[in-house]
Amino acid sequence: DTGVSQNPRHKITKRGQNVTFRCDPISEHNRLYWYRQTLGQGPEFLTYFQNEAQLEKSRLLSDRFSAERPKGSFSTLEIQRTEQGDSAMYLCASSPRVNTGELFFGEGSRLTVL
Amino acid sequence: DAKTTQPTSMDCAEGRAANLPCNHSTISGNEYVYWYRQIHSQGPQYIIHGLKNNETNEMASLIITEDRKSSTLILPHATLRDTAVYYCIVRHGGGSSNTGKLIFGQGTTLQVKP
Repeated sequence: DTGVSQNPRHKITKRGQNVTFRCDPISEHNRLYWYRQTLGQGPEFLTYFQNEAQLEKSRLLSDRFSAERPKGSFSTLEIQRTEQGDSAMYLCASSPRVNTGELFFGEGSRLTVL
Repeated sequence: DAKTTQPTSMDCAEGRAANLPCNHSTISGNEYVYWYRQIHSQGPQYIIHGLKNNETNEMASLIITEDRKSSTLILPHATLRDTAVYYCIVRHGGGSSNTGKLIFGQGTTLQVKP
């Protein structure tokens, strides 16, 4: 499968723990996006990378959240000191350099904070 | 990017056409209309997009009114697998200088019934 891959698919953690999600975009897609989705809501934009550069961050991305894309390929999203409000689906998407508006989404990583 | 308004939910009989409306009265001349759908527990999936002409692909047709203030996504022969949340999104066209991010609303939940 050559689509966007996200791991882990499910993560259950206790409040206060740190968690990290990984996204492997489609090969040669230089644009990468992270979104968060809570139950009954549409996906909310978190951050955007072009190659290894993080070019945009939403106000939703608090200080406890950090995202990286060290070599312009895979990306990680880390949440430190998780809170129950962080429980959500975290979606990753990628698109080619010349963007036509078609974002390719992964299946998401579901986080449950107890 | 212009705001969109969609009905919260719709039903459609299996085998019939599903017509999903979207209002985007503040759309500007260089903004495109995109449609995505999200099947339960999956990431959003691109369906179609257009600027001012009607568009058709293997998944759906997009009808944009002449004044571009509204559009309709048509699934010509809905199946049970088309049950999903459908998002209408307006944003500037692509190009290497545009971030390409999408801003999702709450979408329309389409229930296809046997």
